[in-house]
Amino acid sequence: EAQVTQNPRYLITVTGKKLTVTCSQNMNHEYMSWYRQDPGLGLRQIYYSMNVEVTDKGDVPEGYKVSRKEKRNFPLILESPSPNQTSLYFCASSNQGRSRYEQYFGPGTRLTVT
Amino acid sequence: GESVGLHLPTLSVQEGDNSIINCAYSNSASDYFIWYKQESGKGPQFIIDIRSNMDKRQGQRVTVLLNKTVKHLSLQIAATQPGDSAVYFCAEGGGADGLTFGKGTHLIIQP
Repeated sequence: EAQVTQNPRYLITVTGKKLTVTCSQNMNHEYMSWYRQDPGLGLRQIYYSMNVEVTDKGDVPEGYKVSRKEKRNFPLILESPSPNQTSLYFCASSNQGRSRYEQYFGPGTRLTVT
Repeated sequence: GESVGLHLPTLSVQEGDNSIINCAYSNSASDYFIWYKQESGKGPQFIIDIRSNMDKRQGQRVTVLLNKTVKHLSLQIAATQPGDSAVYFCAEGGGADGLTFGKGTHLIIQP
């Protein structure tokens, strides 16, 4: 089954404790992206990757890191989480070119930072 | 990027009626406009898109209309069903950085 998976689905952590949210897709997509979703603000892009070893900042990259060592994986790293990073996070993937806009989203990771 | 907005945070319609969800955008350089549906507890799901050189595009029970003169995008859902209950996001794309999403409209289906 074609899908985007994220782990963990729920995470409660404390300020400053490094964490990684994994994202994996099995559709051989070149493009991958991370979004955060907050009430009243919609979805905002954090980082994206056009292909392996190519990553770029989105609209809200501060406090986050990503890597793209393999095509299928795109982990999101919070080196020192803070309470303002409490949010619902989505990973997405798509093909390149025009079909980049037809993105497949993972189920989401709800993160709480205390 | 520039924001993509929606006129109403909530829209309530009777089952079987047609629904119209509106969206205003500000970046006239965008190439594509897209609608996503997000059901409770799930990630957004692609519904339909329209290229900036088109005015109308139809899918199964859905129609997207684009008015570039007033920078307005709408999603029409015919014969609304309970399964259509969700939050609908418009989004615009055109640069290398993917999509810019609006804030969403929650469509509520009344029995």
